[in-house]
Amino acid sequence: NAGVTQTPKFRILKIGQSMTLQCTQDMNHNYMYWYRQDPGMGLKLIYYSVGAGITDKGEVPNGYNVSRSTTEDFPLRLELAAPSQTSVYFCASSYWEGANVLTFGAGSRLTVL
Amino acid sequence: TQLLEQSPQFLSIQEGENLTVYCNSSSVFSSLQWYRQEPGEGPVLLVTVVTGGEVKKLKRLTFQFGDARKDSSLHITAAQTGDTGLYLCAGLDTGNQFYFGTGTSLTVIP
Repeated sequence: NAGVTQTPKFRILKIGQSMTLQCTQDMNHNYMYWYRQDPGMGLKLIYYSVGAGITDKGEVPNGYNVSRSTTEDFPLRLELAAPSQTSVYFCASSYWEGANVLTFGAGSRLTVL
Repeated sequence: TQLLEQSPQFLSIQEGENLTVYCNSSSVFSSLQWYRQEPGEGPVLLVTVVTGGEVKKLKRLTFQFGDARKDSSLHITAAQTGDTGLYLCAGLDTGNQFYFGTGTSLTVIP
């Protein structure tokens, strides 16, 4: 199994540009998450989804949007990129039963200049 | 926002030494997890602790969940260079949300 796959791995954006970070999981997990990690810091939750068609805001949702049309896919959209959005973005998924375990993708490093 | 503070933030030790990393919060969590993250990769789960006072051992790693389920510790015995990485604690609150700690960057010097 591939697990959680994120694309692209690296991207440089200019201020004001838009882009979508893709995330796909093949484990039939119902929960999916987007986190951002700034240098030397832990992870902050941006958005999460408990199933197809259902999304909700996390700790730091401003400047981002998500959709969940299928169980497998959970794209993260940046509409007007700002330097403050320079970060490493991680997508994760989990199957909500008993002790929840997060499976992470390898991350997408985004730089906004 | 649930705040999880980890200490120390950075730790550099010689191979063979012991170390302890702490994860503290004023909030109660239904469970707590420890992850290790290597450069360029996503975090990988090490352990989940659920019961207050619980102690789990994973080879040279010992994890403890505080009695009040607000804090946790990770102890590594006889550190090896392969233990180098960023250690993250994550608390699961009663709203089924994970909150990650600030991270501890460990470097084990040969």
